[in-house]
Amino acid sequence: ELKVEQNPLFLSMQEGKNYTIYCNYSTTSDRLYWYRQDPGKSLESLFVLLSNGAVKQEGRLMASLDTKARLSTLHITAAVHDLSATYFCAVDRDRGSTLGRLYFGRGTQLTVWP
Amino acid sequence: SQTIHQWPATLVQPVGSPLSLECTVEGTSNPNLYWYRQAAGRGLQLLFYSVGIGQISSEVPQNLSASRPQDRQFILSSKKLLLSDSGFYLCAWTRLLSGRGETQYFGPGTRLLVL
Repeated sequence: ELKVEQNPLFLSMQEGKNYTIYCNYSTTSDRLYWYRQDPGKSLESLFVLLSNGAVKQEGRLMASLDTKARLSTLHITAAVHDLSATYFCAVDRDRGSTLGRLYFGRGTQLTVWP
Repeated sequence: SQTIHQWPATLVQPVGSPLSLECTVEGTSNPNLYWYRQAAGRGLQLLFYSVGIGQISSEVPQNLSASRPQDRQFILSSKKLLLSDSGFYLCAWTRLLSGRGETQYFGPGTRLLVL
């Protein structure tokens, strides 16, 4: 069974600081996703990473993928309060498939304080 | 552009009652469709997926069923709800091409409370 582990599960950080969220997964995959969820809301897509060494950046968030280590990171630079949310990584179970069956981590609840 | 709708937004049902949740997608054709459930404070669990009309695959044994009567319509049902069916139900769609990085787009969700 595919396992997706995120850490930390809870993160409280001061505005202006940097931090990294980690996502480890247990089997080979060729698609990894990062999503954001605000309280009581649905999921918003942040990044899709396809290949080893892929790096994508949007604003203060940067995601990377190391398929050999089965590790993805979401790096937060100079955090601001608006980044407070829960962040999920998800892994496509079926390498080379177009079924799109995703396994999600438990999420990292991020709180940014002044 | 594509849009995904879910209804109802919130539902409170007694144990043993039936359930029908609906999801429709606009602006695309022949999408893959998915039903996920999110328990409080947890990640998402894939319940069902469909690659075409009438084609449903179940991921976990449970009290629920799904149907896809039209290309862009996906329905989640139950004949008798259990307390453990409570959660946040999310419909999603994608069109995956081999080697392409199309994301899965999620609907607004239905919050179900079974009492």
